Amino acid sequence: DAKTTQPNSMESNEEEPVHLPCNHSTISGTDYIHWYRQLPSQGPEYVIHGLTSNVNNRMASLAIAEDRKSSTLILHRATLRDAAVYYCIPNLGGTYKYIFGTGTRLKVLA
Amino acid sequence: DAGVIQSPRHEVTEMGQEVTLRCKLISGHNSLFWYRQTMMRGLELLIYFNNNVPIDDSGMPEDRFSAKMPNASFSTLKIQPSEPRDSAVYFCASRGEGGAEAFFGQGTRLTVV
Repeated sequence: DAKTTQPNSMESNEEEPVHLPCNHSTISGTDYIHWYRQLPSQGPEYVIHGLTSNVNNRMASLAIAEDRKSSTLILHRATLRDAAVYYCIPNLGGTYKYIFGTGTRLKVLA
Repeated sequence: DAGVIQSPRHEVTEMGQEVTLRCKLISGHNSLFWYRQTMMRGLELLIYFNNNVPIDDSGMPEDRFSAKMPNASFSTLKIQPSEPRDSAVYFCASRGEGGAEAFFGQGTRLTVV
């Protein structure tokens, strides 16, 4: 299984961009990189995923390093509602079996 | 669609009792995941079904745990007998064919006393 390394916690001011890093140096060539987040007292929710190219959706952007050993989730303007634990999950060879690590707890300051 | 529906939302039971957690998948979804979350161990994948067939149950803690999909839209996770260390929040999630996004339920908070 591909291992991931994420900071335990990060802080951001409201309305400012946030860059959440993830190291997945053992990822294989067919593993997609998924990001999920878990708001307090809720189940995880999908944020974004990608393979090699940078990806954008209404929630966030995903920047994937050229060697695919790391990626960065970008929230362009953090709001208080973005306070959550963010998980980076390499998808194992297309099995879509989601193995959650410890994630990064994002705190957004008003 | 109402999303993935789990019941009950909260369950308190005595050690040794049987506990059944229920999950209704989103209509048309064919993959089903059961997870357990505790402060100590985080989110753990217990079992993964595809088209009603268990694909990977390597995360099921022991024989006291069993999961079934009696039909394509419904799953149960049973613990018998329950123990205090089974206390956790249990989530199920479903995903559509070829989809990348898994949709999680609100979870069942289980307390075994």
